[in-house]
Amino acid sequence: SAVISQKPSRDICQRGTSLTIQCQVDSQVTMMFWYRQQPGQSLTLIATANQGSEATYESGFVIDKFPISRPNLTFSTLTVSNMSPEDSSIYLCSSDRNTEAFFGQGTRLTVV
Amino acid sequence: GNSVTQMEGPVTLSEEAFLTINCTYTATGYPSLFWYVQYPGEGLQLLLKATKADDKGSNKGFEATYRKETTSFHLEKGSVQVSDSAVYFCALISGGYQKVTFGTGTKLQVIP
Repeated sequence: SAVISQKPSRDICQRGTSLTIQCQVDSQVTMMFWYRQQPGQSLTLIATANQGSEATYESGFVIDKFPISRPNLTFSTLTVSNMSPEDSSIYLCSSDRNTEAFFGQGTRLTVV
Repeated sequence: GNSVTQMEGPVTLSEEAFLTINCTYTATGYPSLFWYVQYPGEGLQLLLKATKADDKGSNKGFEATYRKETTSFHLEKGSVQVSDSAVYFCALISGGYQKVTFGTGTKLQVIP
């Protein structure tokens, strides 16, 4: 399966600031997905990112809060904007190949 | 829409005990089914998968069989080890839109 490098692996941020998470795939992929995993919870899809078009957001998530870039077929970023303690979560990027989903290592974000 | 239901945890077992984690699903079309594992402090890893009815996925002593008639994909292991302590997520991908639908996760704790 393909490999996704995600960074940072963890960060502690002040409320009101923004953090950008990067994911680099080792080969070209059509779609990339961003998930959030709140403490003790399952994974929730934030948005789907295709290269060359605006990301598609799931219910409850908006572009102003979670802007996404997808400049080419191997890279994507997710920004968590104007952070509050409620944004403390693990954020994961994902893509798929041959009906299998593979994930980055995750970014553990703590907002203080 | 698609959904995955898995048994609630935590599940606590003694070493060498038999493990079953139940998972049932609802999906349009013919989904591919997965079990992912998340070890403490780590990202999500694919444990096993099955892409069509009656397929059996297996890895590291874990097995799960795709049962279309009961829409189930239960995870089993004959003899668990302390190192199997983790959170296990049942998941599916269905249709041409390859986003993953996850269950809520089941925490497994194996005690010596």
